Amino acid sequence: QKEVEQDPGPLSVPEGAIVSLNCTYSNSAFQYFMWYRQYSRKGPELLMYTYSSGNKEDGRFTAQVDKSSKYISLFIRDSQPSDSATYLCAINRIQGAQKLVFGQGTRLTINP
Amino acid sequence: DAGVIQSPRHEVTEMGQEVTLRCKPISGHNSLFWYRQTMMRGLELLIYFNNNVPIDDSGMPEDRFSAKMPNASFSTLKIQPSEPRDSAVYFCASSSRDTQYFGPGTRLTVL
Repeated sequence: QKEVEQDPGPLSVPEGAIVSLNCTYSNSAFQYFMWYRQYSRKGPELLMYTYSSGNKEDGRFTAQVDKSSKYISLFIRDSQPSDSATYLCAINRIQGAQKLVFGQGTRLTINP
Repeated sequence: DAGVIQSPRHEVTEMGQEVTLRCKPISGHNSLFWYRQTMMRGLELLIYFNNNVPIDDSGMPEDRFSAKMPNASFSTLKIQPSEPRDSAVYFCASSSRDTQYFGPGTRLTVL
C-alpha cells in the first residue's frame, strides 16, 4: 500500500464550479500536510500548508485535514481557467522541509 | 532571487551515455532535494542533502545514479550509464525551513 493515495484524474469542470481534490494516507505519524500546484512543464509550487485537523482558508482555496480518517482535501471555490494544473498533496512526519511523501497528483482542467 | 536554477532544461542522449544534471539552490537554503517525475510513478524523492551532506539516498534507483553537493551553491545528479527507463523530468528543490522551492526541471530523454 502506498503511503499516500491520490486519484490522478483527469478532472474537468466548468468555470465557476467548486472543485474538491482529495488524498488519503496510511500512517498516523504524518502530521504536516501540504498542497502543491504544478503548471504544465513547470516545477511544483507550494499552495497550502497545515499541520492541524480542521480547515485553513487562503482566498478561494481551503485545505481540510481529518486526521481521524487520514483524509486531506483541497477545495477551490469559483474556479478559474488559470487554476488548470496538476495538484499534488504532500505529507511529512516532522516539521521542516525534510522527506516529503507526495501523492500521484490530480490533473485538473477548468473549462471556460 | 532567481529561484532554483537547473541545467540543462532538456537533454536527449543515447543509451549508455553519461548524463549530468546540475542544480543551483536558492542562496541561504541549507537543504537540497533531487526528485524524478514520471506519469507512471509520480514525483519520487531520489536523495536529499542537509548542509551539503547526503542524508537519505534510499530513493536512488541503483548504482548507476550518483549525486554530489561539493558546496552550498551547487549540486549534480549523474547517471552512468543511462538507460531508456531513466527518461523522466528531474527536479531539484531547496529549502531553509518548511517550504521546498522547486526548480523548472530537466526533461531527460534516453533513446
